[in-house]
Amino acid sequence: EPEVTQTPSHQVTQMGQEVILRCVPISNHLYFYWYRQILGQKVEFLVSFYNNEISEKSEIFDDQFSVERPDGSNFTLKIRSTKLEDSAMYFCASSVQGVSSYNEQFFGPGTRLTVL
Amino acid sequence: AQSVTQLGSHVSVSEGALVLLRCNYSSSVPPYLFWYVQYPNQGLQLLLKYTTGATLVKGINGFEAEFKKSETSFHLTKPSAHMSDAAEYFCAVSLGGSQGNLIFGKGTKLSVKP
Repeated sequence: EPEVTQTPSHQVTQMGQEVILRCVPISNHLYFYWYRQILGQKVEFLVSFYNNEISEKSEIFDDQFSVERPDGSNFTLKIRSTKLEDSAMYFCASSVQGVSSYNEQFFGPGTRLTVL
Repeated sequence: AQSVTQLGSHVSVSEGALVLLRCNYSSSVPPYLFWYVQYPNQGLQLLLKYTTGATLVKGINGFEAEFKKSETSFHLTKPSAHMSDAAEYFCAVSLGGSQGNLIFGKGTKLSVKP
């Protein structure tokens, strides 16, 4: 069964460093998402991406964040200068293009980012 | 603005007992509603969803949920808990459409006692 994969599973970085979190969505999906979950808090939407551009973004997704689909398979989230409060589990999700019904989002296992 | 409230961050039941996880939502328009489950060290897996049509929705692993518009609720139930049901459960809402980011509740951790 096709699945969303994410690498690495755990990333430790120093404050101020850049990190890139990688995701491989399901191959025939066209919509891509990043969410994050700070320990003990709810899962929060960061950004959605379609047709090589951002579709929606939350207020969390500020100038420190960027997303890219560098090739036909990967979808990346870059944090330019990490802060302590960026420590969280980051989930990638993808969905097929829908017409009249909601697309189910398939989630990856997450990348745990720890900023020291 | 949409929001989701899950009552009870932790629910404990005995094996074979009824599981009831509560979810209330707030939305300015009829929403799409979802329950996701997260097993330890795994991603979020869709249990069931309500989009349109029948208000009682059946999902995987014997779970079901009923959309009650008058109560703005979408509670998750399972008649008989199994040890393998121990996980964290998230209720989510979306306005849908072709993109439709999800708004999640805080999650409820379900423990099942033998």
